Amino acid sequence: DAKTTQPPSMDCAEGRAANLPCNHSTISGNEYVYWYRQIHSQGPQYIIHGLKNNETNEMASLIITEDRKSSTLILPHATLRDTAVYYCIVSDNSNYQLIWGAGTKLIIKP
Amino acid sequence: SAVISQKPSRDICQRGTSLTIQCQVDSQVTMMFWYRQQPGQSLTLIATANQGSEATYESGFVIDKFPISRPNLTFSTLTVSNMSPEDSSIYLCSVDVGEGYEQYFGPGTRLTVT
Repeated sequence: DAKTTQPPSMDCAEGRAANLPCNHSTISGNEYVYWYRQIHSQGPQYIIHGLKNNETNEMASLIITEDRKSSTLILPHATLRDTAVYYCIVSDNSNYQLIWGAGTKLIIKP
Repeated sequence: SAVISQKPSRDICQRGTSLTIQCQVDSQVTMMFWYRQQPGQSLTLIATANQGSEATYESGFVIDKFPISRPNLTFSTLTVSNMSPEDSSIYLCSVDVGEGYEQYFGPGTRLTVT
């Protein structure tokens, strides 16, 4: 079973920051937090991952709480093309397997 | 990074037949994965396919129903055997390029069984 909990859906206005929360209260010390997204009719796309520190790349920022029990993915300036299902996954990389939860359906509105 | 293609992109098949899905990667990778995504659902891992060894199947998936081949480091096939309407899903392959942190996914094969 997935070890994460996400809201089933969220809306965000185009141009605004989209903040997607994820709870992973049972995360282990060696488990990473991954974020992927799946745009309609496409395969999932990797966004970002982190262990303890906050991370930023060209797509997004990942904020992990100090106790690591939750995290937030931030899309700083959402566009219509960011409409997708966003998946938060925790994994220790021991077998490279990803266990997928239901994700959050993010709808960006003009 | 890796670019992955799948064939066919979609198919409509009759009950009781089999379909083989191909996954081609533009670089050599050790680990390949096959997923199923049922309509409106999340991804479920079917099996892990490493070159040179038998595929490892997840609970609920068996080799007789989903035989997998992995003849080299850039290619794999998944066969959906003796299909029923319950097999109607999107089938996705993915690869780990060895960096250990991100997987790359193919575009998926949309299968409809009538």
